Amino acid sequence: NAGVTQTPKFRVLKTGQSMTLLCAQDMNHEYMYWYRQDPGMGLRLIHYSVGEGTTAKGEVPDGYNVSRLKKQNFLLGLESAAPSQTSVYFCASSYPPGQGISNYGYTFGSGTRLTVV
Amino acid sequence: AQSVTQLGSHVSVSEGALVLLRCNYSSSVPPYLFWYVQYPNQGLQLLLKYTSAATLVKGINGFEAEFKKSETSFHLTKPSAHMSDAAEYFCAVSLPWGTYKYIFGTGTRLKVLA
Repeated sequence: NAGVTQTPKFRVLKTGQSMTLLCAQDMNHEYMYWYRQDPGMGLRLIHYSVGEGTTAKGEVPDGYNVSRLKKQNFLLGLESAAPSQTSVYFCASSYPPGQGISNYGYTFGSGTRLTVV
Repeated sequence: AQSVTQLGSHVSVSEGALVLLRCNYSSSVPPYLFWYVQYPNQGLQLLLKYTSAATLVKGINGFEAEFKKSETSFHLTKPSAHMSDAAEYFCAVSLPWGTYKYIFGTGTRLKVLA
């Protein structure tokens, strides 16, 4: 099925370890986003990309890095995990509204639940 | 900068009763507005959106929302709640140009009582 696929779905890390979360979309979307979801805080934007080879910081970028080497993939990296990074991470993608407002809107992946101990 | 406020982190309604979930926004220009639903352990699914066309927007599963510029509101309603509507609902705002980053509210968890 077409959509946004996130891997892994679950992960437990020890403090100081590193890992990469992968987001892959097969809808040829230009724009991709990484959010984290924490209880009572909604979703907060970590980093985003408006096209292959571009990335930009969102609201809460500290401790994370991203790369968009291929249009369909958006990677989120944690270089040295901290307990404060325990969260559920969501990737989303979209095309610009100018390409068709009727179907415009983010498509979300099913999330990655990360626990840092 | 835009922002979204969702009043009420938890809302309970009886099955068959009206559902009203409140969302107020702040934006320097008329924004795009969205409602998403999240079922347990799942991603977010788009319910409906306002993109500067009709102010009354109808979405999936019988939900609708009305954009009221004078009140800076975009409240979500459904005439008759079903048990299957129990979920968390998020309102989001974005500028109608640029990078289209969504700013999300903190969410409202809807409980439907039998």
